Amino acid sequence: AQKITQTQPGMFVQEKEAVTLDCTYDTSDPSYGLFWYKQPSSGEMIFLIYQGSYDQQNATEGRYSLNFQKARKSANLVISASQLGDSAMYFCAMKTSYDKVIFGPGTSLSVIP
Amino acid sequence: NAGVTQTPKFQVLKTGQSMTLQCAQDMNHEYMSWYRQDPGMGLRLIHYSVGAGITDQGEVPNGYNVSRSTTEDFPLRLLSAAPSQTSVYFCASSYVRGGTEAFFGQGTRLTVV
Repeated sequence: AQKITQTQPGMFVQEKEAVTLDCTYDTSDPSYGLFWYKQPSSGEMIFLIYQGSYDQQNATEGRYSLNFQKARKSANLVISASQLGDSAMYFCAMKTSYDKVIFGPGTSLSVIP
Repeated sequence: NAGVTQTPKFQVLKTGQSMTLQCAQDMNHEYMSWYRQDPGMGLRLIHYSVGAGITDQGEVPNGYNVSRSTTEDFPLRLLSAAPSQTSVYFCASSYVRGGTEAFFGQGTRLTVV
């Protein structure tokens, strides 16, 4: 069965510091994709970063990077130089070939000035 | 491009009433899906479709019906609303293959009284 686990319900980080949001996943499909989304208090879902299961390098998008450890089935999101606008819910998601996209329960990140 | 358009944005139903949440996309995406978001539970997949005429159940399908007669539209029907269906509903679409992210509608806040 496919499953996404995010074990940190809430996280705090000081402004300008880096923070890691944890995500572990479970699938038997050899081909899959992992995503991170941000949901600010306004409610919209914002795509942040993608990692394919066959990608050799960890994905990066500006201040976001994905620490992909395939053997451990983890896909942690690293946000560098946190900003006040990073305060939001963060969701890890997984898509397998021609299959559904499932989400984890999310992590609430609060950036402290 | 409009992206993913969800209507209505807000709805109040009485227990036992039926209604249809509309979702339309103009990006020629094969994959469309419906999620419900409840506090602390992330986004849970209700139903999804990988193309016109093809639908399948997600994690929480009971009480909901879908159909996909065209590539563009993927309506979600509540046959007999219950208070347990009070939630925020999101429609999303994407290409099936490859590492493309899902695009989300703005959400529908549904209250069943």
